[in-house]
Amino acid sequence: EAGVAQSPRYKIIEKRQSVAFWCNPISGHATLYWYQQILGQGPKLLIQFQNNGVVDDSQLPKDRFSAERLKGVDSTLKIQPAKLEDSAVYLCASSRGGYYGYTFGSGTRLTVV
Amino acid sequence: AQTVTQSQPEMSVQEAETVTLSCTYDTSESDYYLFWYKQPPSRQMILVIRQEAYKQQNATENRFSVNFQKAAKSFSLKISDSQLGDAAMYFCAYPTGQGAQKLVFGQGTRLTINP
Repeated sequence: EAGVAQSPRYKIIEKRQSVAFWCNPISGHATLYWYQQILGQGPKLLIQFQNNGVVDDSQLPKDRFSAERLKGVDSTLKIQPAKLEDSAVYLCASSRGGYYGYTFGSGTRLTVV
Repeated sequence: AQTVTQSQPEMSVQEAETVTLSCTYDTSESDYYLFWYKQPPSRQMILVIRQEAYKQQNATENRFSVNFQKAAKSFSLKISDSQLGDAAMYFCAYPTGQGAQKLVFGQGTRLTINP
């Protein structure tokens, strides 16, 4: 089974610029997640999708972050405008739920300068 | 709010020896799962082992095993015969939220293997 694909692998932008990340989950996984992992910390959930719909976006900074999952498959996460504190690894994961846990992608390391 | 606590920011062990990483969690649920994930420098989170709370028997996967104490809400990971490839960040995680589908992670433990 193919894994969770993410791109780009690295991104460096200046503050106030915009950036977008892409994720393709494992085929058949209805649930997709975006996590933010700041250096030295555990991942923090930004948004959870179930098929096309948002289940939880309570920790998504909606004034600058947006995410969509078209047709219940691929997803994009956008930051506009970026701040220095957005420097982190952005992890995408998909799941078929419960006991099976999550399968993660390799993440995108974002550096905002 | 459910929380997961890893009290050891860093641990080190000699190659071939055994090391135990600690994790405590807080939940009011009676049936749930617990996970340990490994994150090497490649950044990809890899599932190491999982435990079902209703099972009294501790989970084991090759050199990895857990000591699950439900009453104490403790879920430690034991790595036997440590290998250089075991060096990584290790995260304890607990699923919560609607349908228990939102993983909450601890702060992580950085494991170093000394040759």
